[in-house]
Amino acid sequence: DTGVSQDPRHKITKRGQNVTFRCDPISEHNRLYWYRQTLGQGPEFLTYFQNEAQLEKSRLLSDRFSAERPKGSFSTLEIQRTEQGDSAMYLCASSLGADNEQFFGPGTRLTVL
Amino acid sequence: DQQVKQNSPSLSVQEGRISILNCDYTNSMFDYFLWYKKYPAEGPTFLISISSIKDKNEDGRFTVFLNKSAKHLSLHIVPSQPGDSAVYFCAASDFNDYKLSFGAGTTVTVRA
Repeated sequence: DTGVSQDPRHKITKRGQNVTFRCDPISEHNRLYWYRQTLGQGPEFLTYFQNEAQLEKSRLLSDRFSAERPKGSFSTLEIQRTEQGDSAMYLCASSLGADNEQFFGPGTRLTVL
Repeated sequence: DQQVKQNSPSLSVQEGRISILNCDYTNSMFDYFLWYKKYPAEGPTFLISISSIKDKNEDGRFTVFLNKSAKHLSLHIVPSQPGDSAVYFCAASDFNDYKLSFGAGTTVTVRA
């Protein structure tokens, strides 16, 4: 399968713990996006990479959140000192060049107890 | 602020009939619009898109209409099939800003 993959698919953690999610985009895609989706809402933009450069971060991305894309390939999203309000589906998407069409992965569902 | 709005949270339609999903936007800088379909436990799947230079785009059973003056777009699915039962998201972007702004989604149920 050559689509966007995300790992893990589910994560349950206790409040205050750190978690890290991984996204592997479609191999030739140079743009990578992270979104967060809560129940009853559409995905909300968190951050965006072009190759290894993080070009934009949403105000939703507090200082507890950090994202990286070393070498412009896979990306990681880390949440430090998780809070119950961080419980959501975290979606990764990738796109090629100037295409606006973004291809999404299956998401990582985070539950913070 | 919600720049893309889908005011109908749900839609029920009989198999074989037309499904019409509506979407409104407030940001006049948006110039590219997409519809995504989402099944439970899966990520959104791209369905169809339209650029602001067009007012209609068709792909098989799916047609998207754009009314720029009204800041409104709609997705028509004809004929509706049971496999179309899913959540449909409207999304928009500005040419200079690659992030997508999504609506809250419309859950479509196709009845046999």
